[in-house]
Amino acid sequence: KQEVTQIPAALSVPEGENLVLNCSFTDSAIYNLQWFRQDPGKGLTSLLLIQSSQREQTSGRLNASLDKSSGRSTLYIAASQPGDSATYLCAVRPGAGSYQLTFGKGTKLSVIP
Amino acid sequence: GAGVSQSPSNKVTEKGKDVELRCDPISGHTALYWYRQSLGQGLEFLIYFQGNSAPDKSGLPSDRFSAERTGGSVSTLTIQRTQQEDSAVYLCASSLYQREIGTDTQYFGPGTRLTVL
Repeated sequence: KQEVTQIPAALSVPEGENLVLNCSFTDSAIYNLQWFRQDPGKGLTSLLLIQSSQREQTSGRLNASLDKSSGRSTLYIAASQPGDSATYLCAVRPGAGSYQLTFGKGTKLSVIP
Repeated sequence: GAGVSQSPSNKVTEKGKDVELRCDPISGHTALYWYRQSLGQGLEFLIYFQGNSAPDKSGLPSDRFSAERTGGSVSTLTIQRTQQEDSAVYLCASSLYQREIGTDTQYFGPGTRLTVL
């Protein structure tokens, strides 16, 4: 059974810092990995999706990397801003024929002005 | 365009009552998913609909849970004889397979917070 772990569970940084969020998964046979952002009382917003054949994806100040063989992904946030404060979730999709996403429990990020 | 919408946003019910939660997916999306997010837990897959195919119900926790999708659009998740452990945020998502990039990003609604007293 696929298990997804995110470390740390919570992180507090001063504004302007670069930071890295970590995600690990136990079964490397994945189809893709997705990073989401969740704001309190709201649904999930997709940030980046990395296919199993890709090594990284970038969007603005966000960069996500994937090392499938070691079962790891990182989300790098450059020049953090208070508006980045949210819970970040990673999720893996097991195969092309399976649409179930397995989520980690998330990292709660607080960016202090 | 409009995103995924869910109603109600909050629902408080008494133990033993039935509840219905509604999801309106993004227009044109063929796939629809239900997830549950319990306090302190990750998101848990419940059920998946794709077009006219039989739904994947493998994540439903008990036979008290059921879902239907009418006309390939709106979906209703029904929980019968609710229990306190059913208290959670129920999230709906929809997606459309994008052939050019070979993937389908799931877009989530704001969720329904269910509280069973």
